Amino acid sequence: EDQVTQSPEALRLQEGESSSLNCSYTVSGLRGLFWYRQDPGKGPEFLFTLYSAGEEKEKERLKATLTKKESFLHITAPKPEDSATYLCAVQALADTDTTSGTYKYIFGTGTRLKVLA
Amino acid sequence: DADVTQTPRNRITKTGKRIMLECSQTKGHDRMYWYRQDPGLGLRLIYYSFDVKDINKGEISDGYSVSRQAQAKFSLSLESAIPNQTALYFCATRDSGNTIYFGEGSWLTVV
Repeated sequence: EDQVTQSPEALRLQEGESSSLNCSYTVSGLRGLFWYRQDPGKGPEFLFTLYSAGEEKEKERLKATLTKKESFLHITAPKPEDSATYLCAVQALADTDTTSGTYKYIFGTGTRLKVLA
Repeated sequence: DADVTQTPRNRITKTGKRIMLECSQTKGHDRMYWYRQDPGLGLRLIYYSFDVKDINKGEISDGYSVSRQAQAKFSLSLESAIPNQTALYFCATRDSGNTIYFGEGSWLTVV
């Protein structure tokens, strides 16, 4: 069964304390892996797309990496404003009982990050 | 202004009532989606549309219907709302690079 698992569920960091969030996946035919940031009561905001193992993307204090089984979102010297839930999603080949067209999106349940001042 | 706009942002309705959530987008994307988000379950696909004439069920379409009135407009209806449809609903669009962009969300509470 296709699956996306994020860990940890929640993470508390001190300001400036670097860490990594994990998104592991088991899917057929990965087409892309996406990272989003979601603030409470808001819609997910797109951060990165990764397409192949070894690829890396950076934006300010965030860096996303991808292997054949997982992706990491590295947060360097985080600030309180980085507090949010971070979601990952994979786009993969749909099952024969397709519900999303040729490809489907599977979302993880997110990591809730709290950065303390 | 948001590229994907949802109305209403918050709604409380009674069991059995019909409720419509509306979505409009200015991104010019053909593909539009409705998702619901529940704590611990992640985002789940309700319906999607690749163009005005193409509507498809997602993984949890029972109890919902949609209408694609124009390229920019995609509405979600609950014909007879029930309490377990209480959730945060998101409209989304997808670009040619397969990135999904979400609206701000509509909180729906069914009492």
